[in-house]
Amino acid sequence: DTEVTQTPKHLVMGMTNKKSLKCEQHMGHRAMYWYKQKAKKPPELMFVYSYEKLSINESVPSRFSPECPNSSLLNLHLHALQPEDSALYLCASSQEGAGTDTQYFGPGTRLTVL
Amino acid sequence: GDSVTQMEGPVTLSEEAFLTINCTYTATGYPSLFWYVQYPGEGLQLLLKATKADDKGSNKGFEATYRKETTSFHLEKGSVQVSDSAVYFCALLMYSSASKIIFGSGTRLSIRP
Repeated sequence: DTEVTQTPKHLVMGMTNKKSLKCEQHMGHRAMYWYKQKAKKPPELMFVYSYEKLSINESVPSRFSPECPNSSLLNLHLHALQPEDSALYLCASSQEGAGTDTQYFGPGTRLTVL
Repeated sequence: GDSVTQMEGPVTLSEEAFLTINCTYTATGYPSLFWYVQYPGEGLQLLLKATKADDKGSNKGFEATYRKETTSFHLEKGSVQVSDSAVYFCALLMYSSASKIIFGSGTRLSIRP
């Protein structure tokens, strides 16, 4: 089973709200990723967690705060977002987070910031 | 730096037509190569992959062969269906300490009944 689940599927929030996106995988993978995808563009990497430690932060603004409570879960906390942050947020996981491990993606959370 | 170039879309075909979506790459080493598919309103699904030269990845009637001499990984299908309408992303992953996928720009495919 190569399933990554994400909740919620859709999220609408105001610029002063605080919300969280959740991602879960039960494949025993030790690396998890957050991507942002704008319409008609490929996904852009935001964060990588490897063995529950943040290994890559692609200079993402601090209004996005990732958290990896355990090896199966990945959260993305959102605060004081801007309308231009509206996008599809994708979670992915892979075996180790190194080498050329295949990344498996979730269905995404479609975020709208008003 | 490393990069992936895909043919520009949109590509529109009739059902049962032959499909080719071109993908070429530039890499300093020996990457693994992937095709991902994104159906409308959904996330990315791994379609197929190849990890070394001359490997052929295949899935759901789609095929792609890792050609080191032409640095290409073209996606083909002999007879497309309406359900194949989606955006297709070619991608590479270099062996390194960090798994940073490099995606092509994506090719939108529309199949007419």
